[in-house]
Amino acid sequence: GESVGLHLPTLSVQEGDNSIINCAYSNSASDYFIWYKQESGKGPQFIIDIRSNMDKRQGQRVTVLLNKTVKHLSLQIAATQPGDSAVYFCAEKNPGTYKYIFGTGTRLKVLA
Amino acid sequence: DAGITQSPRHKVTETGTPVTLRCHQTENHRYMYWYRQDPGHGLRLIHYSYGVKDTDKGEVSDGYSVSRSKTEDFLLTLESATSSQTSVYFCAAQGGASYEQYFGPGTRLTVT
Repeated sequence: GESVGLHLPTLSVQEGDNSIINCAYSNSASDYFIWYKQESGKGPQFIIDIRSNMDKRQGQRVTVLLNKTVKHLSLQIAATQPGDSAVYFCAEKNPGTYKYIFGTGTRLKVLA
Repeated sequence: DAGITQSPRHKVTETGTPVTLRCHQTENHRYMYWYRQDPGHGLRLIHYSYGVKDTDKGEVSDGYSVSRSKTEDFLLTLESATSSQTSVYFCAAQGGASYEQYFGPGTRLTVT
């Protein structure tokens, strides 16, 4: 399958605990952000998005927080499950375009 | 995956040969993208299309060309493959009112 890289930063969490994955974005003018999940051998899968006029958005078991002051994005996963094990990365959209810049990702390992 | 397929899924080719990768979508999305994914770099945009016969370069477009003669198909051509183009290639599509991108399963290309 298609792998995403061998030397990604790794976050290990116990099953049932909450996970927090962080992302620093590059352009203070970016107007839209997405978190993706990528399992081994698969394409990235949309998790949750947030527009720049928001600070927080919640989905099912996931919450995204946006801090524009320090250009920081975080993804919180509640009650982490084995199926959450994957690489997670953020993407920012350039304003006025449909181009995206992707982060390099964080590998989440869920320990049983 | 929002009806996005890529072909071939795996290909091995020799340096100097032309290679064409195909992306097909069934959702009539307006925007389509080609990315490459390499360890330590995340997803990098090669080319994208904002309509039939309307394309634009991304950050790593040298050595690649694209064509979009129909809404559903977006072709990526490596004019003369080099070993530096060994990578995993992902196609994505986006349309409607959402900025969400849907990704295909990827193509692993090896240039020997």
